[in-house]
Amino acid sequence: NAGVTQTPKFQVLKTGQSMTLQCAQDMNHEYMSWYRQDPGMGLRLIHYSVGAGITDQGEVPNGYNVSRSTTEDFPLRLLSAAPSQTSVYFCASSIHSPEQREQYFGPGTRLTVT
Amino acid sequence: AQSVTQLGSHVSVSEGALVLLRCNYSSSVPPYLFWYVQYPNQGLQLLLKYTSAATLVKGINGFEAEFKKSETSFHLTKPSAHMSDAAEYFCAVSVNTGGFKTIFGAGTRLFVKA
Repeated sequence: NAGVTQTPKFQVLKTGQSMTLQCAQDMNHEYMSWYRQDPGMGLRLIHYSVGAGITDQGEVPNGYNVSRSTTEDFPLRLLSAAPSQTSVYFCASSIHSPEQREQYFGPGTRLTVT
Repeated sequence: AQSVTQLGSHVSVSEGALVLLRCNYSSSVPPYLFWYVQYPNQGLQLLLKYTSAATLVKGINGFEAEFKKSETSFHLTKPSAHMSDAAEYFCAVSVNTGGFKTIFGAGTRLFVKA
């Protein structure tokens, strides 16, 4: 199993550009989520999904869109990039169960917005 | 709403010394608690989890944590630090509300001196 994969690994955008961060998992997990990691702030939840066709907002959803058309894929779209979105983005997945909710993380995408 | 506080953004220990990383949580319902580790330029990996079974939880690489409800704490310990333990450690809490959202602490970076 590849686990959770993310592409690209690095990306530089100009202010106002849009892009999609890709995330895929091959573990048949229902639950998928996107976090951003900033120094001294830990990981903050952007959006999450409990299954195909179901998404919801996390702590910091503004400026980001998601969709979940399949169990495997959960792309994150930046609509109009801003310097405040410079961060490291992690995708994670888990079994959607009360007893097994530990998350499996991808390697991350380092995004710089100039 | 649930929250996590990690005391100390940086902790430095000598090789062979006790490692103690502190975590306090806030939750109005019984929590599920986790410790994750992040090595440089990688995603997070699960170290251990508390899911209301035993209050003393053993994880990988010799780490363990004790859930203390009266103190709302879930501190991470290891009797003898190794150079390979140098990493960033995150405490996280998840509750049984919509989507089992997980909230992360700000992280503690562990330095191990030779």
